Amino acid sequence: SQQGEEDPQALSIQEGENATMNCSYKTSINNLQWYRQNSGRGLVHLILIRSNEREKHSGRLRVTLDTSKKSSSLLITASRAADTASYFCAITGANSKLTFGKGITLSVRP
Amino acid sequence: ETGVTQSPTHLIKTRGQQVTLRCSSQSGHNTVSWYQQALGQGPQFIFQYYREEENGRGNFPPRFSGLQFPNYSSELNVNALELDDSALYLCASSLFIGTDTQYFGPGTRLTVL
Repeated sequence: SQQGEEDPQALSIQEGENATMNCSYKTSINNLQWYRQNSGRGLVHLILIRSNEREKHSGRLRVTLDTSKKSSSLLITASRAADTASYFCAITGANSKLTFGKGITLSVRP
Repeated sequence: ETGVTQSPTHLIKTRGQQVTLRCSSQSGHNTVSWYQQALGQGPQFIFQYYREEENGRGNFPPRFSGLQFPNYSSELNVNALELDDSALYLCASSLFIGTDTQYFGPGTRLTVL
């Protein structure tokens, strides 16, 4: 299965701290994406990293990709209470089909 | 907020009934995908439509069917509802087929009793 598996399942941090979330997968990929979901609503696209890229930044987000280890990490710096959400990594396969992991629940305490 | 809208927001049905969920894609997007998200799980791909034709299907039975209209809006139909069909149903549109970034709607919460 190409399903991404996130780690840890849940993360609780203090506002201002950094949050690091990991994703592992099993097969070769075209790209890997991270999405955020608030309270069981729609998913919001955060960042996409292609298989030939190693690191990408977007605002307070930093994503790395290690294709040799089949893993990716998402770093959120200087976290805020508004970052509280579920985070999913998604592997892009044929027909742009996204295969999601089970997600990470991030709680940022004020 | 994306430009993708879904209706209804919530829906309650009983086992054996049929349901139709609707999605309006973001302007200019000609590809729509549907996902099922059970509680505590990640979204699971149901199928994708491109220019009114099904273009890929996940591991869902034939009682899950769809349509895409010339204006690129879409419907998901589920027949003979089962209790396990209770989930959040998400549609996502993309600018054109092969574009990897997908824009999700807020979802329809379906409860089957």
